[in-house]
Amino acid sequence: DTGVSQNPRHKITKRGQNVTFRCDPISEHNRLYWYRQTLGQGPEFLTYFQNEAQLEKSRLLSDRFSAERPKGSFSTLEIQRTEQGDSAMYLCASTFMSSGELFFGEGSRLTVL
Amino acid sequence: QKEVEQNSGPLSVPEGAIASLNCTYSDRGSQSFFWYRQYSGKSPELIMFIYSNGDKEDGRFTAQLNKASQYVSLLIRDSQPSDSATYLCAVNDGRTGFQKLVFGTGTRLLVSP
Repeated sequence: DTGVSQNPRHKITKRGQNVTFRCDPISEHNRLYWYRQTLGQGPEFLTYFQNEAQLEKSRLLSDRFSAERPKGSFSTLEIQRTEQGDSAMYLCASTFMSSGELFFGEGSRLTVL
Repeated sequence: QKEVEQNSGPLSVPEGAIASLNCTYSDRGSQSFFWYRQYSGKSPELIMFIYSNGDKEDGRFTAQLNKASQYVSLLIRDSQPSDSATYLCAVNDGRTGFQKLVFGTGTRLLVSP
């Protein structure tokens, strides 16, 4: 088991472009979370999946953000028409059932110019 | 009022001293409380969790919970320079049970040799 894997690790894009991040969770984990973290702040919840079902999406999340987890394995987070305010570290975490022990990936850092 | 509040620090302690990190939360329905450690440029990792009022010890770490005061703390005994990191308090969302964690902004700890 190699832990939670996220790609790409860094992404620099121009405002208005679309970006997609991928997360491969620990294989036996059925829950997958996306968080966003900016400098000096704690992780902010975005959305989470149990198996392939997206069970909750943050009310703060714009419609430009969409996430999927086909077949309950890897997940993708897409941001459409990026804005400078989207610049952040996007963290993926997985866990088994309702454990509070989240295993985080190394994150995908987004810079929007 | 933020859901989970922490003093951002930095909290500076000399090597060998006790570091005391504090956290308050607003949701009385929260049942589970976690401390994550995040080294600079790295992802958070779980170091302690506590569910019941009182103290829970694990090596040099002690978590303390007082649900009546909505207060949770982390004590680090015999602090080492390698303990220098940001400590994130996380609380389960009481409205949804164990579904997701809400993080504080973190307290930066600096342990000087």
